[in-house]
Amino acid sequence: DTEVTQTPKHLVMGMTNKKSLKCEQHMGHRAMYWYKQKAKKPPELMFVYSYEKLSINESVPSRFSPECPNSSLLNLHLHALQPEDSALYLCASSQEGVYNEQFFGPGTRLTVL
Amino acid sequence: AQSVTQLDSQVPVFEEAPVELRCNYSSSVSVYLFWYVQYPNQGLQLLLKYLSGSTLVKGINGFEAEFNKSQTSFHLRKPSVHISDTAEYFCAVIPRDTNAGKSTFGDGTTLTVKP
Repeated sequence: DTEVTQTPKHLVMGMTNKKSLKCEQHMGHRAMYWYKQKAKKPPELMFVYSYEKLSINESVPSRFSPECPNSSLLNLHLHALQPEDSALYLCASSQEGVYNEQFFGPGTRLTVL
Repeated sequence: AQSVTQLDSQVPVFEEAPVELRCNYSSSVSVYLFWYVQYPNQGLQLLLKYLSGSTLVKGINGFEAEFNKSQTSFHLRKPSVHISDTAEYFCAVIPRDTNAGKSTFGDGTTLTVKP
């Protein structure tokens, strides 16, 4: 299994809602990533988990809260988002060690009303 | 720190013509180099990567890229494009001396293949 899966594919939420994005991989990768991508722009790194511990937080607002329950799962909890948070949210995973080629999921298209 | 410059934001080309998408990078440390493709409303898919060895690397879908250390470039080429190659292409670098760490992406090149 060389796939990273993400659910849901699309999400529409109001600014007062609480929702979660989910990401799963079964490749035995010990590093997992959240990216935010606006239209026609490159992905922007948000968080990196390494061996289920948060290793990089790119100064992301606290309305985004990541969680790594186990080595295969990565969640992104959303609360009190702003319309400018509307974007494609991509999850990725990679091996630790020699090089870290990242495998990307298809993304969740988030719209904040 | 690293930076990646994709020299063309948009490249229009006719079907069956050759194409080159240009990527230059700057880094104070040795890096690995990658090209990703992103089709509309999808995630990123790895086209090819340069880790070491031969400077000409071949990837999926008939693409290839050449690493030029002296010019710090990693240009992507395809001898004959198809309509289905229309997509966004991203060049990226990762420092060799880190584990789970930060990729630096270029701003992307939109390849549009016309019939």
